[in-house]
Order: sequence, then C-alpha cells, then structure tokens
Amino acid sequence: DTEVTQTPKHLVMGMTNKKSLKCEQHMGHRAMYWYKQKAKKPPELMFVYSYEKLSINESVPSRFSPECPNSSLLNLHLHALQPEDSALYLCASSQSQQGRNTEAFFGQGTRLTVV
Amino acid sequence: GEDVEQSLFLSVREGDSSVINCTYTDSSSTYLYWYKQEPGAGLQLLTYIFSNMDMKQDQRLTVLLNKKDKHLSLRIADTQTGDSAIYFCAESAVTGGGNKLTFGTGTQLKVEL
Repeated sequence: DTEVTQTPKHLVMGMTNKKSLKCEQHMGHRAMYWYKQKAKKPPELMFVYSYEKLSINESVPSRFSPECPNSSLLNLHLHALQPEDSALYLCASSQSQQGRNTEAFFGQGTRLTVV
Repeated sequence: GEDVEQSLFLSVREGDSSVINCTYTDSSSTYLYWYKQEPGAGLQLLTYIFSNMDMKQDQRLTVLLNKKDKHLSLRIADTQTGDSAIYFCAESAVTGGGNKLTFGTGTQLKVEL
C-alpha cells in the first residue's frame, strides 16, 4: 500500500473562514510533508515533519498552521487566507532516514479556492 | 537560487519514444526522481536513480544520468496516449528531517495518434 489520502478533494473558503486540510498514510513513514502547487508551476515545499516534530518551515505565512497529531496523520489549518493562496495543496510521506533512499509518495491533493 | 530546468513541452506520435530532459543544480543530491502528474491529480512517482549510477531501466522507462553535466533524462519507449501528462524531475536534499525535494519546471508531454 503506497497510498496517501487527502481530504477534502476540493475546498472553497472565504477569507474570514477557518478550515483544515487532512492527510493520512499507513506506510509507517515517519516524515510527512506539505507542498503547494500553483497552476502550471512545480510543487513548492511548505513544511516537513519528522517523527511528529516540525523540522522544516519554508518561511510560510502564519495563516498556514501545520499539525502532526500522530505518525499517520498530518493536518494543515487555514485561517484568514488570501485569494492568492488558491492552489493545489499536496501532502507527501517518506521514510526519514538520512543516507537512504527516501522516495516520497504523494496524495491526490486538495484543490483550494479562496474567495 | 538556480532553477531545476526542463523544456516546457514535448509532442510525440503514439508508438514513438519520448525523451524528457532535466538539468539539475545540486551536485550533492544522492537520489534524483521522476514524477508524473495527470490533469487535476497528484504526483505519481515513476522511477528514481542513485547518483552513482549512469543508467537505470524499468520496463518502458530508461533514466540516464550525466553527473558531470548535472543532466538527467527520462526515455519512455513505445509512448502511449495514457502517457500524456506533465513530467517533473526532482533533486533531493536528505536532511535529518526528511527528504526535501526541489522540482523541475515540468515538461508537458502530448501524445498524438
């Protein structure tokens, strides 16, 4: 099973709303990631969690708040977003072992539209 | 910083071979990856190559690596209409916290009948 499951698939939210994106994997991976992908662009890394601890924050605005409640789950809490935050948000997971092949498996993404 | 570069567009006829090229930037990358993205979907890992290899073959896919020139290519044999998608190469920086991927600009492959 190499599946990473993201919910919801689509989300429309107002600029004053609070919403959350969810991601789940059961591959025993201890590294989980959030990427943001704008139309016709490559994905860009936002956050990395390793062993449920935040290890990389790529200078992401605080209106995006990640959370890793356990080794299988990763959330992204959204608050006071701007229309330019509309994008495809991708979750990924991988092994977390330096020096080993840590191929990342991606979910299908959440298509977010901020109105 | 420098971008990981790919040509934007490639069009081939069904049954021909496709070659997608990538120039990466980080010579310390241990592994290099190829991902496929169909419209509206996530990224599917196709294959990867270890940096001490020159070539890797996996069914219809052949990856070539020229480490001196930081050049990576993906050859798809007998290209089918189902191969139409955007293809991303990715270089990796393995940190204590996981695998930080930097993606290329993406190549849109169109397969025509």
